[in-house]
Amino acid sequence: GQQLNQSPQSMFIQEGEDVSMNCTSSSIFNTWLWYKQDPGEGPVLLIALYKAGELTSNGRLTAQFGITRKDSFLNISASIPSDVGIYFCAGQLGFLIQGAQKLVFGQGTRLTINP
Amino acid sequence: DTGVSQDPRHKITKRGQNVTFRCDPISEHNRLYWYRQTLGQGPEFLTYFQNEAQLEKSRLLSDRFSAERPKGSFSTLEIQRTEQGDSAMYLCASSLAMAIQETQYFGPGTRLLVL
Repeated sequence: GQQLNQSPQSMFIQEGEDVSMNCTSSSIFNTWLWYKQDPGEGPVLLIALYKAGELTSNGRLTAQFGITRKDSFLNISASIPSDVGIYFCAGQLGFLIQGAQKLVFGQGTRLTINP
Repeated sequence: DTGVSQDPRHKITKRGQNVTFRCDPISEHNRLYWYRQTLGQGPEFLTYFQNEAQLEKSRLLSDRFSAERPKGSFSTLEIQRTEQGDSAMYLCASSLAMAIQETQYFGPGTRLLVL
């Protein structure tokens, strides 16, 4: 099925470092979402973006909705051990457009932190 | 806790058996989604409901899969004559699609292993 291109696939960093990951698509989306998933659990929403160009922060997390509506990035500043996990981007074409409500996900970025 | 709940959390079954999973959405959420996630991949859309109506089904949803949301609250996903390829995490998400924006919140998932 259709998936977004998410990179990098994995990251190994030292505690305290900043992290950056991004997501690109060949088609536009009107909503971009970033989720974090721990092993054996469901994805937990981190940040939701609803407008092209929007820059939104949630604590140490910052995400942006690309102007072209085909990309988004997530930054994590001053990483801590509990940031370990898999981060997914997801795009939605439009919740009012028939057939466009589903989320399309990237393949995830696995973040590992060395203390 | 008023989040999305799923039951069971884990299910081991033998090939050919039928299984049924339940999802209880966040109260008042009118949309309910089912996704499937295999190891190392992002979730993939299966189907969704708005209230009681099933409005979209993915091609991933073969004839052996059926989903219901009889009273517009909880939903069930049944897989008949399970195959080893059905082994995956089945995720449920719910949202309130009456506001200008829609955000999907996920449950903890049901991990299915078909032997």
